[in-house]
Amino acid sequence: AQRVTQPEKLLSVFKGAPVELKCNYSYSGSPELFWYVQYSRQRLQLLLRHISRESIKGFTADLNKGETSFHLKKPFAQEEDSAMYYCALLTGGGNKLTFGTGTQLKVEL
Amino acid sequence: NAGVTQTPKFRILKIGQSMTLQCAQDMNHNYMYWYRQDPGMGLKLIYYSVGAGITDKGEVPNGYNVSRSTTEDFPLRLELAAPSQTSVYFCASSNREGKNIQYFGAGTRLSVL
Repeated sequence: AQRVTQPEKLLSVFKGAPVELKCNYSYSGSPELFWYVQYSRQRLQLLLRHISRESIKGFTADLNKGETSFHLKKPFAQEEDSAMYYCALLTGGGNKLTFGTGTQLKVEL
Repeated sequence: NAGVTQTPKFRILKIGQSMTLQCAQDMNHNYMYWYRQDPGMGLKLIYYSVGAGITDKGEVPNGYNVSRSTTEDFPLRLELAAPSQTSVYFCASSNREGKNIQYFGAGTRLSVL
């Protein structure tokens, strides 16, 4: 069965420090992975998807099929990056997403 | 441009009561979803729909029912509310032509006491 694991519930970094939010997946098919973000008092929204291979708000994520990982990275954390981040795996018919449990990123001054 | 709209925002129910959580989208998306999010957990799929008249169970469907009579609306029904259904409920919609991106509503916070 498909599974998404985000091992850290909380990640606290200082402003300007590098950020890496970990995500590992388990899926027998060809994975399509996403990072969603929820800022305080806002709705959940897409941050980036691996197919796009783009950088959004300075964040990047590379799909590593060998390690079954899709870690989210940013070289220099900003205060506005503080939010809840969810890794998600697209599975099956109906465009279903399997979500990880999320990582709360806190960027301290 | 409203996107996905959920009502109500908050609700308190007594055990055994019933209610319907409303969800509407104005993006002409085929796919719609209901998730629940419990504290410290990820979002779990309750039900989903691939188009009007077609619904299917997700990971945690017990205690819920859905219908999809129009493309725009996807209500979630709780028939006999139980404390285990205390959660935050999110509705989402997507379209394959939209690159499988799901768009979420603001959520409904439900407490069953």
